[in-house]
Amino acid sequence: QQQVKQSPQSLIVQKGGISIINCAYENTAFDYFPWYQQFPGKGPALLIAIRPDVSEKKEGRFTISFNKSAKQFSLHIMDSQPGDSATYFCAAIMDGATNKLIFGTGTLLAVQP
Amino acid sequence: DAGVTQSPTHLIKTRGQQVTLRCSPISGHKSVSWYQQVLGQGPQFIFQYYEKEERGRGNFPDRFSARQFPNYSSELNVNALLLGDSALYLCASSLEPYYGYTFGSGTRLTVV
Repeated sequence: QQQVKQSPQSLIVQKGGISIINCAYENTAFDYFPWYQQFPGKGPALLIAIRPDVSEKKEGRFTISFNKSAKQFSLHIMDSQPGDSATYFCAAIMDGATNKLIFGTGTLLAVQP
Repeated sequence: DAGVTQSPTHLIKTRGQQVTLRCSPISGHKSVSWYQQVLGQGPQFIFQYYEKEERGRGNFPDRFSARQFPNYSSELNVNALLLGDSALYLCASSLEPYYGYTFGSGTRLTVV
């Protein structure tokens, strides 16, 4: 119940294309869902985040779609660029005594020029 | 503004040794969390400290310990190192627990 399942494990997209990464969760107590981007040798950096009372959130080329009934959420990267090539992690957190991030397993995105 | 600072950046230790990793949070941030990231996996929660008190502990053995100092910096200690402890250790800070975590670049620990 504490897991966040992420797919695909890796993704190759052509420049200008749309990258889509999917995540699913079981624990309905999760109430905040951030996405992180990680480059080699660096720590994860917060990209965009959403709460379950919102179905979609857009920031620039990055959009989160959230389906509360299905307990699924996804990251869409529009007009993907080679500089977007990185590992992407979805995560979930619940408000409580320990506000720990539960991370997905990651998606390695390669955007080909 | 300086981000989350971790030291050292890389470390090689021998099995059975002890290691101390250090983290300086963003100025004003009172919460520090530690995560372990094994190659090819997502970060796993180890500890969270807020206002110098432990707020949570992940599923890690007692060989792992941490503390937070009055200036909100933090140390992670690992005793009796095992090969399986080889990982990237990440520190994250936030104003308070829950969200807005900013991660440092991590300490790459290799146990040989």
